[in-house]
Amino acid sequence: GQQVMQIPQYQHVQEGEDFTTYCNSSTTLSNIQWYKQRPGGHPVFLIQLVKSGEVKKQKRLTFQFGEAKKNSSLHITATQTTDVGTYFCAGNAGGTSYGKLTFGQGTILTVHP
Amino acid sequence: GAVVSQHPSWVICKSGTSVKIECRSLDFQATTMFWYRQFPKQSLMLMATSNEGSKATYEQGVEKDKFLINHASLTLSTLTVTSAHPEDSSFYICSAPIDTQYFGPGTRLTVL
Repeated sequence: GQQVMQIPQYQHVQEGEDFTTYCNSSTTLSNIQWYKQRPGGHPVFLIQLVKSGEVKKQKRLTFQFGEAKKNSSLHITATQTTDVGTYFCAGNAGGTSYGKLTFGQGTILTVHP
Repeated sequence: GAVVSQHPSWVICKSGTSVKIECRSLDFQATTMFWYRQFPKQSLMLMATSNEGSKATYEQGVEKDKFLINHASLTLSTLTVTSAHPEDSSFYICSAPIDTQYFGPGTRLTVL
């Protein structure tokens, strides 16, 4: 079945440093979604990427979708303590964003002030 | 954005009892809902797809007789963990899609 690998598992940074997490799917994806989960909370949708090579930005967050639609990355510039949490990518091999999601293992981000 | 609620938010039960978890879409209708479970510091694992008016579709390795799913209306899906055991202790999260997936706040189940 479809697998989504995400690295690194953990990342500790000093406030102000950059952070990147990477996802790689075993199969070509229809779209990929990114979520953030704060400790004790539930996943909150950040963004969806659909097009090959797509790049989207949300303030200090930059999301990329690979040309082959099998990998993706999330980059945070100048991290802040509010960025703490687990970042998950989730791949959708179906035709719509309504379908089943296969989640990556998640990257736990710790930001030291 | 759309709101999905879950009830209860946490539950502690004795081994052998059954526990029902509700997932509601509050401001939209959902013909499909998804149920996930998450162990501490691990990812979300899809358990099943709940379909309004028909049987749920279970992922490989998930016991359908153990995890009963009922999607009785366009706004409610329930997950019943039958004869719960300590290994069933986990964080159970539902989601419902519109333009994207909206997740409920989750239910933390502890089986003693």
